[in-house]
This record gives sequence, structure tokens and C-alpha cells, in this order.
Amino acid sequence: GAVVSQHPSWVICKSGTSVKIECRSLDFQATTMFWYRQFPKQSLMLMATSNEGSKATYEQGVEKDKFLINHASLTLSTLTVTSAHPEDSSFYICSASSREGTDTQYFGPGTRLTVL
Amino acid sequence: GQSLEQPSEVTAVEGAIVQINCTYQTSGFYGLSWYQQHDGGAPTFLSYNALDGLEETGRFSSFLSRSDSYGYLLLQELQMKDSASYFCAVIDYKLSFGAGTTVTVRA
Repeated sequence: GAVVSQHPSWVICKSGTSVKIECRSLDFQATTMFWYRQFPKQSLMLMATSNEGSKATYEQGVEKDKFLINHASLTLSTLTVTSAHPEDSSFYICSASSREGTDTQYFGPGTRLTVL
Repeated sequence: GQSLEQPSEVTAVEGAIVQINCTYQTSGFYGLSWYQQHDGGAPTFLSYNALDGLEETGRFSSFLSRSDSYGYLLLQELQMKDSASYFCAVIDYKLSFGAGTTVTVRA
């Protein structure tokens, strides 16, 4: 089956620093990758959608300058949380789709970010 | 926009059957998916319905009625390992998740 990895699986950083999270599709080419955020006991909220080689599309209320997304290749997307603050502490999950469409998404294992 | 409603919690005993209902309102609709998420883990795909009717995958089945904007996930022969959160998600140009249903299976 399709496998998506994320790195790191957890990270602790100081307030004001930037953190980069990588999402890789290991055995398929991901035309589209999605980034979600999930706070404890809450649902997954889509942050942005990225297609390889083009700018990401951000959901309403998500600051594009704070959450930088780069979909550099068909197997790699990165999310950089810039100038992280404690309220950015969350579970960040990526998913990947092998075609233009959302009906089949393969989720990564998630990255737990804690900002002190 | 999209809105989805599903119960917040369900508790049942091992071997029982649980049905998790999901009603939705959406401007666009390609299908309804269900995901399972254990504490601390990422969601795993369970099923996808694009057409009306029942889809069966082992102990889990999913149903969709597009005319009623309604679907359900049926968990049969419950096992302890089925204790998790279950999310319905509507698909249009993106996945929009419901708030999730926490299923607790007791011995």
C-alpha cells in the first residue's frame, strides 16, 4: 500500500524559532499533498493544499507567511512553522494523493510540535 | 462551506455492534469517507462511498444516502482494539472532517 512518512515525529522548540516538517511519499508520486493541524480532542483542520511545482492554497484563517509550504518534488513537501509560539503547539499531519483529487489520501504518522 | 455532525461518544461491549451516524451539509460532494484514529496516531482510511448503498470491508461497513445527506459506519463484532476516534469526512475539492466519535469498547 501507499506509505507516507513524516519527519520529525516530534519536536520541542523555543518560542521564536522556526521548525521544518518534512512529508514524503515513499512508494508513489504525490501530485497533491495536504497539511492538517489537530489540537487535542479536536478534529483535523485542513491548513493548505499543495501541488508539485506550484504555490500552496491556504485555507481561510491560515497565515501563509507563518506556515510556509514547499512542494518541491512529487515525493516531498515541507511545512515550515516560522517564529513559532506556544499556541502553535499541535499535531501536524500531512497526507498525499497520487492524482488531482481528494478521494484517496494517504496520511503520514504526524508530527507533534511543542513550543516552549 | 461544509458542516458534518456525528455523535461525540459511543460505548459498547466486546462483540457488540455499533453504528456511527454522520449527517452533512456541503456545497460540493464527491463522496463520504471514514477514518479511524487511535490516541496519538494519525488517521487511517477505513472506507469510501461515492454512490448510495452499503460498502462492506470485513467487520466494518459504510453506508451512504446522498438524497438524505447521510451516512453511517457500522462496526461489527467489536474488539478492544476498535477503541478509537472515528471521523466521517466529506470530499469535494478537499476533505472536511467531522468532529469525530470516540468509541470505547469495554470487556
